[in-house]
Amino acid sequence: SQQGEEDPQALSIQEGENATMNCSYKTSINNLQWYRQNSGRGLVHLILIRSNEREKHSGRLRVTLDTSKKSSSLLITASRAADTASYFCGTGGTSYGKLTFGQGTILTVHP
Amino acid sequence: DAGVIQSPRHEVTEMGQEVTLRCKPISGHDYLFWYRQTMMRGLELLIYFNNNVPIDDSGMPEDRFSAKMPNASFSTLKIQPSEPRDSAVYFCASSSTRDGSYEQYFGPGTRLTVT
Repeated sequence: SQQGEEDPQALSIQEGENATMNCSYKTSINNLQWYRQNSGRGLVHLILIRSNEREKHSGRLRVTLDTSKKSSSLLITASRAADTASYFCGTGGTSYGKLTFGQGTILTVHP
Repeated sequence: DAGVIQSPRHEVTEMGQEVTLRCKPISGHDYLFWYRQTMMRGLELLIYFNNNVPIDDSGMPEDRFSAKMPNASFSTLKIQPSEPRDSAVYFCASSSTRDGSYEQYFGPGTRLTVT
């Protein structure tokens, strides 16, 4: 069964707008990672947030984690057409490396 | 580094045939993962290895699936016999504990079609 569940399933915005995607999970985690997948390609790591962290930034990406609500959000600011992709959250438990992924959010950014 | 290498990129086979997917992880990485991605089930972890030893194969769907890692630079995922429901994209990923990073590096995937 899936641990992380992304919301929304699909998001369509205009270039320049912000995009927010959410991830909910069920069991305790050690870390949560966000990945991007362009059509026909493998996943690419974007950012990792550990269970004792609440917020992290990387360029135009901002990730928050609320362990009390078992949820995380990924914010992409000033989106570009090149950000069009599927975005997945992967939750990591106590076993190093093992990640459980959600179904992903399909983001479409219109030029 | 060339990244994670998978072969073949596309495989079309008939039901009942044996299929072997191959993966070369990034040099120096000590973890290797095999995933399967379908529209219906999303991205599923099938099995992963640490230092060439299988750690968790609970995601392997059934006995028709087997995976090996004979050395640090090569792994195979075999399906025998293949069935149409095995059609999916299979990804290999690797990671390293040396720098404390949990980041996984994915290969480009093998798109398997079983007719």
